[in-house]
Amino acid sequence: AQSVTQLDSQVPVFEEAPVELRCNYSSSVSVYLFWYVQYPNQGLQLLLKYLSGSTLVKGINGFEAEFNKSQTSFHLRKPSVHISDTAEYFCAVSQRGGGNKLTFGTGTQLKVEL
Amino acid sequence: DVKVTQSSRYLVKRTGEKVFLECVQDMDHENMFWYRQDPGLGLRLIYFSYDVKMKEKGDIPEGYSVSREKKERFSLILESASTNQTSMYLCASSTDSLSYNEQFFGPGTRLTVL
Repeated sequence: AQSVTQLDSQVPVFEEAPVELRCNYSSSVSVYLFWYVQYPNQGLQLLLKYLSGSTLVKGINGFEAEFNKSQTSFHLRKPSVHISDTAEYFCAVSQRGGGNKLTFGTGTQLKVEL
Repeated sequence: DVKVTQSSRYLVKRTGEKVFLECVQDMDHENMFWYRQDPGLGLRLIYFSYDVKMKEKGDIPEGYSVSREKKERFSLILESASTNQTSMYLCASSTDSLSYNEQFFGPGTRLTVL
């Protein structure tokens, strides 16, 4: 079984500041990792995913994430946030080679202030 | 682009009513999922289906049932709605052609049970 922990339920940040949203996972097998974003009153949209290869993954809207196997982490970063980045962000994991389910974290609400 | 649509964005029902939430995807995906989303709890899997007429329980199936008579359509049924089923319901789909289980989400249905 796998699990995902998002350590921060809310992250306030000023516009143009950098931000990091933390995600740690637990799994007995190798995993694929995802970050999804949910804008107010909408469904989830894929931001980026780590499948294999380079541990630094670039996604849409200037976001990137780094896979760290030794620390079982997949933190999401953006060097300069915009007011339009205000949304809820979900980290998710699926097992390689088995099953078709994703396990989601509880989400981090990013609030960008002027 | 994959499109997942849900029959209603907002729904208000009374306690004891039978409620149908419909989800349709247009990409011939094999797998479909129903989640509920509650503040602080993230996404919790209710049921999923990996083929027509096939279904499996997720983490919180109590009080719900599902139907998948056609590949593109997956229905969530609340046999007798209760106030604790007030929530945001999200439908998703994925294909077995991709090994990494990326899921595509609909816009969600916000259900209020009075």
